[in-house]
Amino acid sequence: GAVVSQHPSWVICKSGTSVKIECRSLDFQATTMFWYRQFPKQSLMLMATSNEGSKATYEQGVEKDKFLINHASLTLSTLTVTSAHPEDSSFYICSARRGTYTDTQYFGPGTRLTVL
Amino acid sequence: GENVEQHPSTLSVQEGDSAVIKCTYSDSASNYFPWYKQELGKRPQLIIDIRSNVGEKKDQRIAVTLNKTAKHFSLHITETQPEDSAVYFCAAKQTSYDKVIFGPGTSLSVIP
Repeated sequence: GAVVSQHPSWVICKSGTSVKIECRSLDFQATTMFWYRQFPKQSLMLMATSNEGSKATYEQGVEKDKFLINHASLTLSTLTVTSAHPEDSSFYICSARRGTYTDTQYFGPGTRLTVL
Repeated sequence: GENVEQHPSTLSVQEGDSAVIKCTYSDSASNYFPWYKQELGKRPQLIIDIRSNVGEKKDQRIAVTLNKTAKHFSLHITETQPEDSAVYFCAAKQTSYDKVIFGPGTSLSVIP
C-alpha cells in the first residue's frame, strides 16, 4: 500500500511553454500532497504544500504564479510550470501524506523536466 | 524555522563494515525524524523513522538513535552491502506543521 505515481516521468519542452505534472495517490486518499524540486546532487527543497479543496501554501521564494498547483481531488494534485525557462530544469518530486493524523510521506517517482 | 545539518557529505566503507551518518536539528519542537534512501534518479524511500518519545529504533541492519537534549540523531547501518550505496537524507518535522525539512544528504558508497 501507499503508492504514489507521477506523470510524465520525463519531459522536454521549449522555453516559454507550460508543462503540467500529475501526482496521484493510487491506493489511499491524500488530503495533503507536497511538491519538491531537486537539483543535481542537492537535497529536496519543498516548493509548496497542497491541500485538497484549498489553495496551496508556497514556500518563501517560490513564485505561485509560475508554479501553479491544483489539488482538485483526494487522489490527484497537479503542478504546472508556466512559461518554463532553462533554469526551471530540475527533478520535480511529489509526496503524499496518508491520512490527516500521520507524519509519514510517500514519494512519487519524480519527473525530470528539461527546458531547452 | 527548522534547520537540519548532516555529516558526512560523502562516506565510503568496505563491504561488511558499519556506516554512521549524523544529523543535527535546530528546532526543539521537532518530534518526528525520518530517514530516506535515494538511488540515482529515483524516488526517496523511507527506510526508518523515529519519534521524540523514543531513544532508539532498530530494523534488521538499520538503527536510528535520537538524543533530544543535544538535538541530534544518527543512522547506523551494519554489515553494509553494495546495494546500500545511495544518498541518504535525514529529516525533521513537527507534528503540528506539515513541513518536513531535509538535511543536505550523505552519499554512501559501499566498496565490494
